[in-house]
Amino acid sequence: AQSVTQPDIHITVSEGASLELRCNYSYGATPYLFWYVQSPGQGLQLLLKYFSGDTLVQGIKGFEAEFKRSQSSFNLRKPSVHWSDAAEYFCAVGNSGGYQKVTFGTGTKLQVIP
Amino acid sequence: GAGVSQSPSNKVTEKGKDVELRCDPISGHTALYWYRQRLGQGLEFLIYFQGNSAPDKSGLPSDRFSAERTGESVSTLTIQRTQQEDSAVYLCASSLDGPPRFFGPGTRLTVL
Repeated sequence: AQSVTQPDIHITVSEGASLELRCNYSYGATPYLFWYVQSPGQGLQLLLKYFSGDTLVQGIKGFEAEFKRSQSSFNLRKPSVHWSDAAEYFCAVGNSGGYQKVTFGTGTKLQVIP
Repeated sequence: GAGVSQSPSNKVTEKGKDVELRCDPISGHTALYWYRQRLGQGLEFLIYFQGNSAPDKSGLPSDRFSAERTGESVSTLTIQRTQQEDSAVYLCASSLDGPPRFFGPGTRLTVL
């Protein structure tokens, strides 16, 4: 069965600093990988996705993520964090069976300090 | 509407009662998902619709749970004979196809 681990429950960074949120997945075949963001008072929204091809994918709001098969990882990065990035971030893995059964991690809450 | 909407936003019910949760996806989105999030836990997949069909019902926890979708639009998740362990936030999401793209605000269900 597919699964996702986000080892950091809570991360605090200073505004303007770089950010990396960790995600490790377990899946038997080539996974479909996603990052979602849930800003305060809003619903979850898809940030970016990896299906195949270039292992570095760009998403909305200046985020990117890199798929590393050897490490079973799909870490999310942003070069310079803005206060509005404070939110909860969820990594997810999906199957390739013609539809998308997506399994989510437990989330990482990001706090941004001035 | 502009986004995915769900109703009610909160539902308190007594153990043993039936509840219906509603999801209105973004207009034109053919894929619709239901997830459950228990306190302190990640999202748990319940069911997926492509159009009005549900190719994957494997996530439904028991036969007390059922869902339907009509007109490739609104979906209803029904929980019969609710139990306290059903207490959670139930989230709906939609997309044109593929993975869930936009989630609704959720329905917080409390079973007393």
